[in-house]
Amino acid sequence: GENVEQHPSTLSVQEGDSAVIKCTYSDSASNYFPWYKQELGKGPQLIIDIRSNVGEKKDQRIAVTLNKTAKHFSLHITETQPEDSAVYFCAAKGAAGNKLTFGGGTRVLVKP
Amino acid sequence: NAGVMQNPRHLVRRRGQEARLRCSPMKGHSHVYWYRQLPEEGLKFMVYLQKENIIDESGMPKERFSAEFPKEGPSILRIQQVVRGDSAAYFCASSPAGADTQYFGPGTRLTVL
Repeated sequence: GENVEQHPSTLSVQEGDSAVIKCTYSDSASNYFPWYKQELGKGPQLIIDIRSNVGEKKDQRIAVTLNKTAKHFSLHITETQPEDSAVYFCAAKGAAGNKLTFGGGTRVLVKP
Repeated sequence: NAGVMQNPRHLVRRRGQEARLRCSPMKGHSHVYWYRQLPEEGLKFMVYLQKENIIDESGMPKERFSAEFPKEGPSILRIQQVVRGDSAAYFCASSPAGADTQYFGPGTRLTVL
């Protein structure tokens, strides 16, 4: 089955700097890659997603890139703010079925 | 437009008791997914349901766990004879038919004493 690896597990950045989180996946047939932000005690919140027919997508300070050949995708957060502090999860959906396979998460701390 | 609703938000059970977790999908969503999150870990898929049908239960433990999504009412995840290892956060997500995007509820945090 699908396996998703996520790095780093923790990331500390200074406010205003950029944060980058990387994920790799194993199933070359995967076609949908969402990113979720989870704050303490809350459910995951979708922040951006990308499909396999697109290489890059941007939404204000957040962007995601996808390299299908290498089977990896990345989340980029620019001009980080303290409210960006949270745990971020990448996920992948295979071509068969609707279930999401999640990475292990990255705890991001933005220091003021 | 209310999001995905889950109740209870916190549930405490003693070993051997039953736990029932409820999920009401977003309005207009006919697909429901259940995921489990152990402390400091990512979410693991458990089961995918449509109204009155289990589509994929490949992530469900073979014993003690069951799920349903009846024609009327919320989806239910039922855990019989709970053990301490069942302590986790259980999240429900929903999506409209034919869509990839899954929207998550706030979760139910189950503690087994």
